[in-house]
Amino acid sequence: GAGVSQSPSNKVTEKGKDVELRCDPISGHTALYWYRQSLGQGLEFLIYFQGNSAPDKSGLPSDRFSAERTGGSVSTLTIQRTQQEDSAVYLCASSFGRSDTIYFGEGSWLTVV
Amino acid sequence: GESVGLHLPTLSVQEGDNSIINCAYSNSASDYFIWYKQESGKGPQFIIDIRSNMDKRQGQRVTVLLNKTVKHLSLQIAATQPGDSAVYFCAEQYSSASKIIFGSGTRLSIRP
Repeated sequence: GAGVSQSPSNKVTEKGKDVELRCDPISGHTALYWYRQSLGQGLEFLIYFQGNSAPDKSGLPSDRFSAERTGGSVSTLTIQRTQQEDSAVYLCASSFGRSDTIYFGEGSWLTVV
Repeated sequence: GESVGLHLPTLSVQEGDNSIINCAYSNSASDYFIWYKQESGKGPQFIIDIRSNMDKRQGQRVTVLLNKTVKHLSLQIAATQPGDSAVYFCAEQYSSASKIIFGSGTRLSIRP
């Protein structure tokens, strides 16, 4: 596609359930980022993938959060045993490489009830 | 700690006037700076970027100024229009790290 595609666009889940959020980056982009944005707040870095290098996981808030990127393209962010404080917009972005323009998707709005 | 801060959380501008959004950064090692615009319910949209070897860069109706001496970044929007209403984020990237650090954002509102 022409842009970064994220799914689902909206997800309501019960506390304690696991959720998976998907990101399909722009074709040819080797770098992929996940950020989290709480209501009215800035963007919190979660994880960064660059080609075949080991991902930078330094922003993941707890071991309930994990992400993988298969075949250097699609990425999945998994949140296990969701908590109410996980409610936020999860944004994915991609770029050709580090310090290249980063393009964001529209985000996945997660609500934990 | 590492941070990118904004001087004003909200900015109200008369339609047609120029807007100036300011940002301070704390890490002198940062070598890449970006401005994003985020409209309600949407993902951030790239506006303009600048590298540390430059002090000014112009786009269509927008100009970014970088002052490395005082670690200050600004976004100037000429002839502000109603469609410019959004939250604007500055961001920085360090030369030795991968992640991009975002500021908390400035909301720009346009008075008719």
